[in-house]
Amino acid sequence: GQNIDQPTEMTATEGAIVQINCTYQTSGFNGLFWYQQHAAEAPTFLSYNVLDGLEEKGRFSSFLSRSKGYSYLLLKELQMKDSASYLCAVRDIRYSTLTFGKGTMLLVSP
Amino acid sequence: KAGVTQTPRYLIKTRGQQVTLSCSPISGHRSVSWYQQTPGQGLQFLFEYFSETQRNKGNFPGRFSGRQFSNSRSEMNVSTLELGDSALYLCASSLYGQWETGELFFGEGSRLTVL
Repeated sequence: GQNIDQPTEMTATEGAIVQINCTYQTSGFNGLFWYQQHAAEAPTFLSYNVLDGLEEKGRFSSFLSRSKGYSYLLLKELQMKDSASYLCAVRDIRYSTLTFGKGTMLLVSP
Repeated sequence: KAGVTQTPRYLIKTRGQQVTLSCSPISGHRSVSWYQQTPGQGLQFLFEYFSETQRNKGNFPGRFSGRQFSNSRSEMNVSTLELGDSALYLCASSLYGQWETGELFFGEGSRLTVL
């Protein structure tokens, strides 16, 4: 099976930078995704990594190290609206579906 | 364009009843996936349909079933409801399927409460 670990909760201050880590164990890795889910809303796609390195998209960046089974989502210049749950998901070539971690609840305070 | 639409948004059932949830994907999307979301387990994959065929199935009992129609709309059914089935059921659509793209477009979900 697959195992995906993320911290349950994180807190940060408006304007700061926060890094949300995700570790995974899977034999047939074929891509890692980050989704954002605000309370009582649908998850929305943030980023996708399949090769090692950093993908930057505005205030959000995502990093992947396949050899370490590790990814992080970096949020810069935090805003109150960034308070949400951040879901790490892994695609495995054997299952051809996305498996999600339990999510990291980020609370941004003034 | 319109997003993924799920109905009903909220429903309350009692143990032993059955429930049917509906999902209309984004126009042109052929793949529909269903997930169960609970605070303790997070998002868990139920099944994926593509062009009316079930392509993948998660580790859920046979009480959970689904189907997809020729217009790509999908329904999922849960029979003999149990208290533990209380959850948010999310539907997600994609153009080709999770395997091909991985970018899923989620609906806002159907929140089921079993009493």
